[in-house]
Amino acid sequence: DAGVIQSPRHEVTEMGQEVTLRCKPISGHDYLFWYRQTMMRGLELLIYFNNNVPIDDSGMPEDRFSAKMPNASFSTLKIQPSEPRDSAVYFCASSLRQGAYEQYFGPGTRLTVT
Amino acid sequence: GQQVMQIPQYQHVQEGEDFTTYCNSSTTLSNIQWYKQRPGGHPVFLIQLVKSGEVKKQKRLTFQFGEAKKNSSLHITATQTTDVGTYFCAGPKTSYDKVIFGPGTSLSVIP
Repeated sequence: DAGVIQSPRHEVTEMGQEVTLRCKPISGHDYLFWYRQTMMRGLELLIYFNNNVPIDDSGMPEDRFSAKMPNASFSTLKIQPSEPRDSAVYFCASSLRQGAYEQYFGPGTRLTVT
Repeated sequence: GQQVMQIPQYQHVQEGEDFTTYCNSSTTLSNIQWYKQRPGGHPVFLIQLVKSGEVKKQKRLTFQFGEAKKNSSLHITATQTTDVGTYFCAGPKTSYDKVIFGPGTSLSVIP
């Protein structure tokens, strides 16, 4: 398996623009997680899905952020409109099950909002 | 809510010295997981401990899960430059809960 795939790897955009990050989890994994990592705040869980259904979005910073998982092999994280403080590395991860199973992280998308 | 803390936040060691990072949870954990993130990379799963008092070894790395299942440690013997990175502990309250990550310990190894 190719592992968790994320695109793009780097994104530079101007404030106010819409940004869409994409993720393909490992086949057969029931759980998908979106994380944001910054120096100041560390690794933050934004939202996670079980069998394509959002379970916990309490980490989503505000209404500008939205995530979808239309099928088992694809998820998106959208920021609209983007702001400079959204600059971070966004990781997608997947796991077989919840809690007792390790998470496999994608390579991340480095987002810079100018 | 559940909180996971790690100390120290940063550690600089001379190559060959030992290194230990400590992980403490505000609640009992069903298991503890450790991940390593190399600079510029993504977190990679290292190991999972499940039993109270469990100790596991991976070459120069020794992982321990506390008796109360609220704390854990990672010890590296004779560090090498390949050990550089950030080490995260993570764990859920139960096997049905989400995994909470600690803030990580960043290790630098001076050759």
